[in-house]
Amino acid sequence: QQQVKQSPQSLIVQKGGISIINCAYENTAFDYFPWYQQFPGKGPALLIAIRPDVSEKKEGRFTISFNKSAKQFSLHIMDSQPGDSATYFCAPPVGNNLFFGTGTRLTVIP
Amino acid sequence: ETGVTQTPRHLVMGMTNKKSLKCEQHLGHNAMYWYKQSAKKPLELMFVYSLEERVENNSVPSRFSPECPNSSHLFLHLHTLQPEDSALYLCASSPQTGLNQPQHFGDGTRLSIL
Repeated sequence: QQQVKQSPQSLIVQKGGISIINCAYENTAFDYFPWYQQFPGKGPALLIAIRPDVSEKKEGRFTISFNKSAKQFSLHIMDSQPGDSATYFCAPPVGNNLFFGTGTRLTVIP
Repeated sequence: ETGVTQTPRHLVMGMTNKKSLKCEQHLGHNAMYWYKQSAKKPLELMFVYSLEERVENNSVPSRFSPECPNSSHLFLHLHTLQPEDSALYLCASSPQTGLNQPQHFGDGTRLSIL
Protein backbone atom coordinates (compact mmCIF):
# COMPACT_ATOMS: atom_id res chain seq x y z
CA GLN A 1 0.00 0.00 0.00
CA GLN A 2 1.49 3.28 -1.10
CA GLN A 3 1.68 5.74 1.78
CA VAL A 4 2.48 8.75 -0.40
CA LYS A 5 1.53 9.72 -3.95
CA GLN A 6 4.00 11.93 -5.74
CA SER A 7 3.41 13.87 -8.94
CA PRO A 8 4.35 14.51 -11.61
CA GLN A 9 6.48 11.53 -12.59
CA SER A 10 8.65 13.72 -14.78
CA LEU A 11 9.00 17.45 -15.31
CA ILE A 12 10.80 19.56 -17.89
CA VAL A 13 11.38 23.21 -17.04
CA GLN A 14 13.18 26.01 -18.81
CA LYS A 15 16.16 27.55 -17.02
CA GLY A 16 14.91 30.34 -14.77
CA GLY A 17 11.45 28.84 -14.45
CA ILE A 18 9.66 27.44 -11.38
CA SER A 19 9.58 23.69 -10.76
CA ILE A 20 6.72 22.38 -8.61
CA ILE A 21 6.52 18.83 -7.29
CA ASN A 22 3.64 17.58 -5.16
CA CYS A 23 3.20 14.87 -2.57
CA ALA A 24 -0.14 13.68 -1.15
CA TYR A 25 -0.36 11.41 1.87
CA GLU A 26 -2.95 9.51 3.87
CA ASN A 27 -1.09 8.56 7.04
CA THR A 28 -1.88 11.14 9.72
CA ALA A 29 1.01 9.77 11.81
CA PHE A 30 3.44 11.67 9.59
CA ASP A 31 4.85 14.68 11.43
CA TYR A 32 8.00 15.43 9.47
CA PHE A 33 8.01 16.10 5.74
CA PRO A 34 11.36 15.92 3.94
CA TRP A 35 12.35 16.11 0.31
CA TYR A 36 15.38 14.19 -0.93
CA GLN A 37 17.35 14.92 -4.08
CA GLN A 38 19.13 12.18 -6.04
CA PHE A 39 21.60 12.73 -8.87
CA PRO A 40 22.43 9.90 -11.29
CA GLY A 41 24.94 7.52 -9.76
CA LYS A 42 24.48 8.97 -6.30
CA GLY A 43 22.37 8.16 -3.26
CA PRO A 44 19.49 10.40 -2.15
CA ALA A 45 20.44 13.43 -0.04
CA LEU A 46 18.18 15.47 2.21
CA LEU A 47 17.32 18.73 0.48
CA ILE A 48 14.81 20.45 2.75
CA ALA A 49 12.26 19.40 5.35
CA ILE A 50 9.32 20.90 7.23
CA ARG A 51 7.42 20.14 10.42
CA PRO A 52 3.62 20.53 10.42
CA ASP A 53 3.57 23.47 12.81
CA VAL A 54 4.48 25.79 9.90
CA SER A 55 2.92 26.12 6.46
CA GLU A 56 6.01 27.13 4.54
CA LYS A 57 9.79 26.90 4.78
CA LYS A 58 12.28 28.51 2.45
CA GLU A 59 15.95 27.73 1.99
CA GLY A 60 17.53 29.65 -0.85
CA ARG A 61 15.72 28.80 -4.06
CA PHE A 62 13.91 25.83 -2.46
CA THR A 63 10.56 26.19 -0.67
CA ILE A 64 8.30 23.60 0.95
CA SER A 65 4.61 24.44 1.20
CA PHE A 66 2.53 22.34 3.58
CA ASN A 67 -1.26 22.01 3.64
CA LYS A 68 -2.27 19.93 6.63
CA SER A 69 -6.01 19.91 5.93
CA ALA A 70 -5.44 18.70 2.37
CA LYS A 71 -2.70 16.32 3.48
CA GLN A 72 -0.35 17.60 0.82
CA PHE A 73 3.06 19.15 0.68
CA SER A 74 4.99 20.47 -2.26
CA LEU A 75 8.48 21.45 -3.29
CA HIS A 76 9.01 24.65 -5.26
CA ILE A 77 12.30 25.35 -6.97
CA MET A 78 12.57 28.99 -7.98
CA ASP A 79 14.88 30.16 -10.78
CA SER A 80 15.50 26.52 -11.76
CA GLN A 81 19.00 25.76 -13.03
CA PRO A 82 20.40 22.91 -15.14
CA GLY A 83 22.29 21.77 -12.03
CA ASP A 84 18.93 21.10 -10.38
CA SER A 85 18.28 18.30 -12.88
CA ALA A 86 17.83 15.26 -10.64
CA THR A 87 15.17 12.97 -9.21
CA TYR A 88 13.26 14.32 -6.23
CA PHE A 89 11.54 12.20 -3.60
CA CYS A 90 9.17 13.05 -0.80
CA ALA A 91 9.85 10.69 2.08
CA PRO A 92 7.87 11.28 5.27
CA PRO A 93 8.91 8.90 8.04
CA VAL A 94 7.14 6.96 10.71
CA GLY A 95 9.66 5.67 13.20
CA ASN A 96 12.53 4.04 11.30
CA ASN A 97 10.71 3.87 8.01
CA LEU A 98 10.99 6.56 5.33
CA PHE A 99 7.97 6.24 3.05
CA PHE A 100 9.48 7.27 -0.25
CA GLY A 101 7.34 8.51 -3.13
CA THR A 102 8.01 7.11 -6.59
CA GLY A 103 10.12 10.13 -7.51
CA THR A 104 9.96 13.02 -9.96
CA ARG A 105 12.64 13.28 -12.60
CA LEU A 106 13.30 16.97 -13.17
CA THR A 107 15.10 18.17 -16.27
CA VAL A 108 16.01 21.85 -16.50
CA ILE A 109 16.73 22.92 -20.07
CA PRO A 110 19.40 25.63 -20.56
CA GLU B 1 31.19 13.16 0.12
CA THR B 2 28.29 11.97 2.28
CA GLY B 3 30.33 10.17 4.94
CA VAL B 4 28.77 6.84 3.95
CA THR B 5 30.90 4.63 1.67
CA GLN B 6 29.61 1.57 -0.13
CA THR B 7 31.66 -1.08 -1.91
CA PRO B 8 31.66 -2.41 -4.50
CA ARG B 9 29.90 0.19 -6.65
CA HIS B 10 28.91 -2.45 -9.21
CA LEU B 11 28.48 -6.19 -8.85
CA VAL B 12 27.49 -8.84 -11.37
CA MET B 13 26.83 -12.29 -10.02
CA GLY B 14 25.24 -15.55 -11.01
CA MET B 15 22.26 -16.97 -9.21
CA THR B 16 24.36 -19.56 -7.39
CA ASN B 17 27.12 -17.19 -6.22
CA LYS B 18 27.69 -15.85 -2.74
CA LYS B 19 28.84 -12.25 -2.36
CA SER B 20 28.71 -9.47 0.22
CA LEU B 21 28.01 -5.75 0.04
CA LYS B 22 29.86 -3.49 2.44
CA CYS B 23 28.90 -0.15 3.97
CA GLU B 24 31.01 2.05 6.22
CA GLN B 25 29.95 5.33 7.81
CA HIS B 26 32.32 7.96 9.19
CA LEU B 27 29.66 10.14 10.83
CA GLY B 28 29.59 8.66 14.32
CA HIS B 29 25.99 7.55 13.81
CA ASN B 30 24.36 4.77 15.79
CA ALA B 31 21.76 3.61 13.27
CA MET B 32 22.31 2.02 9.87
CA TYR B 33 19.90 0.92 7.16
CA TRP B 34 19.75 -1.14 3.97
CA TYR B 35 17.38 -0.07 1.17
CA LYS B 36 16.57 -1.55 -2.24
CA GLN B 37 15.93 0.84 -5.14
CA SER B 38 14.32 -0.69 -8.23
CA ALA B 39 13.26 1.11 -11.37
CA LYS B 40 9.80 2.68 -11.17
CA LYS B 41 9.28 1.59 -7.54
CA PRO B 42 9.65 3.52 -4.29
CA LEU B 43 12.75 2.83 -2.22
CA GLU B 44 12.11 -0.18 -0.02
CA LEU B 45 13.50 -0.37 3.50
CA MET B 46 15.05 -3.79 4.07
CA PHE B 47 16.82 -3.75 7.44
CA VAL B 48 17.49 -1.36 10.32
CA TYR B 49 20.26 -1.66 12.88
CA SER B 50 20.58 0.37 16.07
CA LEU B 51 23.80 0.04 18.07
CA GLU B 52 24.60 -3.19 16.18
CA GLU B 53 21.23 -4.79 16.98
CA ARG B 54 18.73 -5.47 14.23
CA VAL B 55 15.55 -3.60 15.07
CA GLU B 56 13.62 -4.05 11.87
CA ASN B 57 13.37 -6.62 9.10
CA ASN B 58 10.76 -5.75 6.50
CA SER B 59 9.81 -9.23 5.27
CA VAL B 60 13.03 -9.60 3.32
CA PRO B 61 13.75 -13.06 1.84
CA SER B 62 16.33 -15.10 3.72
CA ARG B 63 18.66 -15.03 0.71
CA PHE B 64 19.58 -11.56 2.02
CA SER B 65 21.45 -11.73 5.33
CA PRO B 66 22.61 -8.55 7.07
CA GLU B 67 25.46 -8.25 9.53
CA CYS B 68 26.46 -5.29 11.70
CA PRO B 69 29.73 -6.03 13.53
CA ASN B 70 29.99 -2.49 14.95
CA SER B 71 28.16 0.82 14.62
CA SER B 72 30.38 1.94 11.71
CA HIS B 73 30.08 -1.10 9.46
CA LEU B 74 27.17 -2.88 7.84
CA PHE B 75 27.22 -5.84 5.47
CA LEU B 76 24.62 -7.47 3.28
CA HIS B 77 25.44 -11.08 2.49
CA LEU B 78 23.87 -12.41 -0.69
CA HIS B 79 23.30 -16.02 -1.75
CA THR B 80 21.15 -17.79 -4.29
CA LEU B 81 19.69 -14.55 -5.60
CA GLN B 82 16.98 -14.26 -8.25
CA PRO B 83 16.92 -12.04 -11.35
CA GLU B 84 14.30 -9.80 -9.69
CA ASP B 85 16.90 -8.96 -7.03
CA SER B 86 18.80 -6.88 -9.59
CA ALA B 87 18.62 -3.33 -8.23
CA LEU B 88 20.55 -0.53 -6.58
CA TYR B 89 21.22 -1.34 -2.92
CA LEU B 90 21.62 1.72 -0.74
CA CYS B 91 23.05 1.99 2.73
CA ALA B 92 22.12 4.87 5.02
CA SER B 93 22.90 6.03 8.54
CA SER B 94 21.38 8.40 11.07
CA PRO B 95 22.37 9.55 14.54
CA GLN B 96 19.68 7.34 16.10
CA THR B 97 16.72 5.34 14.91
CA GLY B 98 13.32 6.98 14.70
CA LEU B 99 12.83 10.52 16.02
CA ASN B 100 12.28 11.74 12.43
CA GLN B 101 15.97 12.19 11.78
CA PRO B 102 17.38 12.68 8.28
CA GLN B 103 19.21 9.71 6.88
CA HIS B 104 22.56 10.01 5.12
CA PHE B 105 22.87 7.72 2.10
CA GLY B 106 25.82 6.15 0.37
CA ASP B 107 25.98 6.04 -3.42
CA GLY B 108 24.84 2.45 -3.60
CA THR B 109 25.91 -0.85 -5.11
CA ARG B 110 24.40 -1.60 -8.51
CA LEU B 111 23.69 -5.33 -8.43
CA SER B 112 22.97 -7.37 -11.55
CA ILE B 113 21.94 -11.02 -11.31
CA LEU B 114 22.60 -13.11 -14.40
